[in-house]
Amino acid sequence: KAGVTQTPRYLIKTRGQQVTLSCSPISGHRSVSWYQQTPGQGLQFLFEYFSETQRNKGNFPGRFSGRQFSNSRSEMNVSTLELGDSALYLCASSFGRAPYNEQFFGPGTRLTVL
Amino acid sequence: QKEVEQDPGPLSVPEGAIVSLNCTYSNSAFQYFMWYRQYSRKGPELLMYTYSSGNKEDGRFTAQVDKSSKYISLFIRDSQPSDSATYLCAMISPSINFGNEKLTFGTGTRLTIIP
Repeated sequence: KAGVTQTPRYLIKTRGQQVTLSCSPISGHRSVSWYQQTPGQGLQFLFEYFSETQRNKGNFPGRFSGRQFSNSRSEMNVSTLELGDSALYLCASSFGRAPYNEQFFGPGTRLTVL
Repeated sequence: QKEVEQDPGPLSVPEGAIVSLNCTYSNSAFQYFMWYRQYSRKGPELLMYTYSSGNKEDGRFTAQVDKSSKYISLFIRDSQPSDSATYLCAMISPSINFGNEKLTFGTGTRLTIIP
């Protein structure tokens, strides 16, 4: 069974731009969660999508948004990029709703904002 | 103060040693405690999952939870170079609204096992 895949793996953007990251979950998984990982704050929960609906949200500004498609693939968008958005963005999929169902993480997208 | 505190290390130990990794937390309502392992350039993978206070063993790994002290530990016996990774503790934050629980992570401890 293929694991969670994320594209692209690396991105360099400048302040003020927007970016879209993509996540393909494990086949059959209906939940996709997104996390931001930085050295200072660690892993922080952004949001969870289940059956194309956002079910849960962390404490991030509205510049961070996402969506999920009918095939469970998910995208995350960050608008008006700031230097502090530089981070590793991880998505995780699970068969049922997170966090009580085991989440499987992708390798992440490394975003650098200059 | 962060809800979950974890010593970032780095921690270096010789091969074969017993490793002890720890996290403390402030919210007594936390339940369901987990340990994840993250290799360089990879996403975290779930190692251990426990709910109640006490010990849970899986091969060379033992997870320990002390809810009265708000303290969790992961022990690795007979450590191997392949155990070199970042270890993250995580716990489920309760919510008054069912379905709004989420995972709260520690910042991770970088561990190196020296051959």
